[in-house]
This record gives sequence, structure tokens and C-alpha cells, in this order.
Amino acid sequence: AQSVTQLDSHVSVSEGTPVLLRCNYSSSYSPSLFWYVQHPNKGLQLLLKYTSAATLVKGINGFEAEFKKSETSFHLTKPSAHMSDAAEYFCVVSDRDVAGNQFYFGTGTSLTVIP
Amino acid sequence: EPEVTQTPSHQVTQMGQEVILRCVPISNHLYFYWYRQILGQKVEFLVSFYNNEISEKSEIFDDQFSVERPDGSNFTLKIRSTKLEDSAMYFCASSPKRGEKLFFGSGTQLSVL
Repeated sequence: AQSVTQLDSHVSVSEGTPVLLRCNYSSSYSPSLFWYVQHPNKGLQLLLKYTSAATLVKGINGFEAEFKKSETSFHLTKPSAHMSDAAEYFCVVSDRDVAGNQFYFGTGTSLTVIP
Repeated sequence: EPEVTQTPSHQVTQMGQEVILRCVPISNHLYFYWYRQILGQKVEFLVSFYNNEISEKSEIFDDQFSVERPDGSNFTLKIRSTKLEDSAMYFCASSPKRGEKLFFGSGTQLSVL
């Protein structure tokens, strides 16, 4: 069975400090992993994706994520938070080898950036 | 960059009424999805659609729900008789290949009164 666990429902950081949003997944097959961001009253925007190429994935707006198979993790990081990063972040897993094509969302992490 | 468009952005309806939420996926995409997000809750999968038929659906997607791709361009979600608990943000998404990233629309906020 596939599932995603986002370990923190809320994260608060000061502007200019690093961001770490944690995600663990379970998957029976070779997963594709994604991070999406949702700003208030906006749709879901893709930040980055992992699909079996390099384990360190660079995304938009300075975000990165590292796929660690041994830890079944795909944590999202950014060296220096901006006020504009305040949003809801979703970790998503999709199994590439099964017949279905469902994407599984984590419960989301709300990021607050303090000036 | 191409976008998935959804209309309307807000829909208010009375309980028991039928609603149709409309989506125009990206033109060369083959896989289509509906998700919903009840306020304060996680994004939930409703249904996926490929080759003019439903490929997967969740428990939420009961007989009150249906999807259609009537003209090769639009992808609609119909709720036959809305309930209060159907109030949510509904997201349409499309993808060019199975397992590839989803491109989401900006959502339709459905309010059932």
C-alpha cells in the first residue's frame, strides 16, 4: 500500500533561516515523489519531482529535496526562507509500476515565515 | 506554460441540486483527475480517467458522482444531488504520462447550502 506521512503539520521559521519540511513514504513499488505548494486561495503548484534520476532534486524558488530510499524519506529543504514561502506544502507519492495512476497526498505542512 | 483551467472559480448551490464542475486539461495530456480538499483537511483523490473511461476511483466517488469528457477538450465532474458535506475545493489535474507530474487547475470552491 502507498502512503505519505508529513511529520509536521505546522513549521515556523524566521526569514533568512533554513527550512526543513519532512516527508516519509511507503510504497510497494518504485515511487515517483513530488512536492506541491499551495498559497492561500491558489491552486497547487509543483515545486519539484523525483522520478528515479538523481536523488537530490532541485526545484523552483530555491527548494531542494533528497530521496533517501533507506530511510523512505523525501524531505524538502531551502537554505534561506523568504516571506513569500509562507504556504501549505504537500508531499505526494505515485507508484510508477502499478496499473493504477493514483497520487497519494500527505496531510500537508503549513509553513509560517516570521519577519 | 500551458495551464489547466477550471470554471467556475466559485459555485454556490442548494443541497439536493446538481452541479457540474468544468475543467479544460492541457491539450496533449492523456490522464485526467479530480481531487477535492475540504477546508482544513487533506487533498483527497476522487477519480482518474484515461482513454475515455474511469481507471480508478476512491470510496468518496459514489453513485452521486460522474465524470465525462464530452468533446475531447473538456473534462467535467457532475454531482447529481449535492450534500452539505460536498462543500470543498475541487481540483482538476492532468498528466501527459502515467506517474508523471500532475498539472493542477486553480480549483472550484463549491459551497453547498
